[in-house]
Amino acid sequence: DGGITQSPKYLFRKEGQNVTLSCEQNLNHDAMYWYRQDPGQGLRLIYYSQIVNDFQKGDIAEGYSVSREKKESFPLTVTSAQKNPTAFYLCASSIEGGQPQHFGDGTRLSIL
Amino acid sequence: GEDVEQSLFLSVREGDSSVINCTYTDSSSTYLYWYKQEPGAGLQLLTYIFSNMDMKQDQRLTVLLNKKDKHLSLRIADTQTGDSAIYFCAETAVDKLIFGTGTRLQVFP
Repeated sequence: DGGITQSPKYLFRKEGQNVTLSCEQNLNHDAMYWYRQDPGQGLRLIYYSQIVNDFQKGDIAEGYSVSREKKESFPLTVTSAQKNPTAFYLCASSIEGGQPQHFGDGTRLSIL
Repeated sequence: GEDVEQSLFLSVREGDSSVINCTYTDSSSTYLYWYKQEPGAGLQLLTYIFSNMDMKQDQRLTVLLNKKDKHLSLRIADTQTGDSAIYFCAETAVDKLIFGTGTRLQVFP
C-alpha cells in the first residue's frame, strides 16, 4: 500500500546530541514537509521541499536541518542547537505544493 | 500575513450535529481543507472544497464556504464518540498549506 512511514515512533535524546528522524514515502510525491506540534497547539512548519535537492525554511527552522537526496526520503535532523526539542514531529507529502498533504503517524521526541 | 483561526474546544452530545468553524485570510486560496487528528496519530484528510464552491456534502460531513467573509465550516451530522478528535482547517498558500490551531471535539453520551 502507498503511504508515508515515519520512524521511530518514539525517540529519546540526551542533551547535546543530534538526532535524525526518518520520513519515507512511496506515493511518488514531489513535495515533502516537516511540522512540529506541541501540546494544545497547531502545526508549525519547520522545512519543506518541492523537489529533489531543493528545500526551503519554514516558520521555525532554527536548530533543525534537512536533506532531500532522493524523492522518497526527507530526513530531519534535530541538532543540539534546538533548545526545546521535545515535541511531536509530523512528516507529510503532496503531489506538488499547495495540493492535499498526506501525513505519517509522527515521531514523539523526548529529552532524557 | 496568512493566518487561519479556529475555536479551541467544542463539546457535543452523541447524536447531535457538530459545527466547527474556521476563518482564513488568503482570498486567493484555491482549496480549503479539513483534517482530523486522533490521539498520537498523524492528520487524516477528511474533505476539501474548491474555492468556487459554496457547499460540499460527503455522507455525514457538510462543508460550507463563505468567500466574502472568508469563513469555512464543517458540520458533522449524527456525531458519534468515534468523531472525538482534533479537527484542523487549512488554506493553500502557493507552495504549502497554512493550518489553523485545531478544534478539539469532545463527544459525550
